[in-house]
Amino acid sequence: DADVTQTPRNRITKTGKRIMLECSQTKGHDRMYWYRQDPGLGLRLIYYSFDVKDINKGEISDGYSVSRQAQAKFSLSLESAIPNQTALYFCATSDPRTGGDYTQYFGPGTRLTVL
Amino acid sequence: AQSVTQLGSHVSVSEGALVLLRCNYSSSVPPYLFWYVQYPNQGLQLLLKYTTGATLVKGINGFEAEFKKSETSFHLTKPSAHMSDAAEYFCALNEKLTFGTGTRLTIIP
Repeated sequence: DADVTQTPRNRITKTGKRIMLECSQTKGHDRMYWYRQDPGLGLRLIYYSFDVKDINKGEISDGYSVSRQAQAKFSLSLESAIPNQTALYFCATSDPRTGGDYTQYFGPGTRLTVL
Repeated sequence: AQSVTQLGSHVSVSEGALVLLRCNYSSSVPPYLFWYVQYPNQGLQLLLKYTTGATLVKGINGFEAEFKKSETSFHLTKPSAHMSDAAEYFCALNEKLTFGTGTRLTIIP
């Protein structure tokens, strides 16, 4: 089984709808991240969490919110989706205590299309 | 502020030829540097990383990278390209991973 899973893998929705993307991990890592990938722009950080009680905005948090339900679960919500939120979304985890560095481990991604 | 610049959004090399993908960075703290690879319709996989110590870092699939502080560079190389190397490659920096914009590598048969 994959260490970092994301659901759904693909989603098509309409403008104005509320969407939740979910991420679960079995790696036992404290730190979790959400990124979006757009062609030609690389990956950009949306939100990150260093533990269950710690949530931080990233580079592009406007229009998004997150919830860290447990150490293993980190959800990303789009309260009212808009077309320019169409992108590939990745969840990642890390734990410097175990790896000794900041290596991040990525899920397979969720492709979101907002019509 | 920190940043990563990848020179060349597309690179094409012949099978068996040298692969060179360029990455320059800017960081106000000693950098941790990473190269990730993304195969079509897949997530990101770590190729190699530099944390401290040896400046020549070896990764998976025959790739290596050299950290050059004086040049603020971390270029990725492979002596002989294989068709299976076709993918997008991302250089990334530090704890919250500031990414470069990526380089798509095409291998010419």
